[in-house]
Amino acid sequence: DAMVIQNPRYQVTQFGKPVTLSCSQTLNHNVMYWYQQKSSQAPKLLFHYYDKDFNNEADTPDNFQSRRPNTSFCFLDIRSPGLGDAAMYLCATSRGQGGGSEQFFGPGTRLTVL
Amino acid sequence: GDSVTQMEGPVTLSEEAFLTINCTYTATGYPSLFWYVQYPGEGLQLLLKATKADDKGSNKGFEATYRKETTSFHLEKGSVQVSDSAVYFCALKQGNQGGKLIFGQGTELSVKP
Repeated sequence: DAMVIQNPRYQVTQFGKPVTLSCSQTLNHNVMYWYQQKSSQAPKLLFHYYDKDFNNEADTPDNFQSRRPNTSFCFLDIRSPGLGDAAMYLCATSRGQGGGSEQFFGPGTRLTVL
Repeated sequence: GDSVTQMEGPVTLSEEAFLTINCTYTATGYPSLFWYVQYPGEGLQLLLKATKADDKGSNKGFEATYRKETTSFHLEKGSVQVSDSAVYFCALKQGNQGGKLIFGQGTELSVKP
């Protein structure tokens, strides 16, 4: 089945230790998104790629970066995680960015910062 | 800016009860509207959507109608099951904002046998 895969499902890191989260997709979608979802809150968009074009949300901290080496893969890098970065990180994909286009979400990676 | 407001949870219902989860939005123009469902420990799944006024989205017994006059997109189901227990998110998307979904705060639904 075509799908969005996130690895690992659970990630534990130490305060200040860089961490990378991975997302891959078999849908061949041209748009990939990263959302942050803190406990009992709504998901919040961090950034997205339209093909190779990177689009950062204005309020995304500089600590968060992303790479998309090819259509299938996208990475979220957190350079120096703080306790406030503990959250579920959701990757999503879509074919295009139109108003009605559906976003398909992966299962998420739950990040714990010690 | 654009925003979505949902009724606060948790909502607790008995099996076979009628469900309504209220959702209202503030937005310029004509956004598309969505309901997503999140089961415990999982990512979000699209439940239904509507892309223009008076459209009705439906899936798995759930329905929601895009009401522009009241800026609402309330989720309804005639008879809930225990398996419907999850968190439900209402969201909007503008066609000119890079596909960004703006979510409401989520409403937790718990259905008891």
